[in-house]
Amino acid sequence: AQSVTQPDIHITVSEGASLELRCNYSYGATPYLFWYVQSPGQGLQLLLKYFSGDTLVQGIKGFEAEFKRSQSSFNLRKPSVHWSDAAEYFCALNRDDKIIFGKGTRLHILP
Amino acid sequence: NAGVMQNPRHLVRRRGQEARLRCSPMKGHSHVYWYRQLPEEGLKFMVYLQKENIIDESGMPKERFSAEFPKEGPSILRIQQVVRGDSAAYFCASSPPTGTRSTEAFFGQGTRLTVV
Repeated sequence: AQSVTQPDIHITVSEGASLELRCNYSYGATPYLFWYVQSPGQGLQLLLKYFSGDTLVQGIKGFEAEFKRSQSSFNLRKPSVHWSDAAEYFCALNRDDKIIFGKGTRLHILP
Repeated sequence: NAGVMQNPRHLVRRRGQEARLRCSPMKGHSHVYWYRQLPEEGLKFMVYLQKENIIDESGMPKERFSAEFPKEGPSILRIQQVVRGDSAAYFCASSPPTGTRSTEAFFGQGTRLTVV
């Protein structure tokens, strides 16, 4: 069963516009969730993580994500994107002590 | 504190040769994970190791692939008799020995394997 689903393979937004990347998970227990970003030819950098507590999580580079248990979602948001945000974004879940990734969403920024 | 170090960054092998990919975890980390990334397919979990132990290898192909994390030295992902389909980026990640699910993994820059 797919543990993490990112329904959008590609997203294009204009510079300065708001952004929301979708992520849905499937896990029976309390999920530990992550968002990573990968720039071309690079490794993965952690943007933010959710373990417990406040369902709105702040991350680096102006990103935030909201955990919604009722919707099994952990969507990533940014109020105003910059050209440097063009990258691939991965939602991930810690399941049985290993991190399982979604297939990623590639973000394109229009000038 | 150096991050996760992978080498080589790029590796070219002819079909039938062996590929050895190395990963040195962050200082103090005793858990290592290997992932394979193919274009448009995201990162696929391969194996999870602790020092001298394979904890979960459910993502490893049954043949030609092996991994180890010895007591001393880096973790090694070994691919024997490589084929064109093995061409991919291989990422290593490490995490500290807290044993909790809340711990995130820190990733290396990856090794890009090209089989010609």
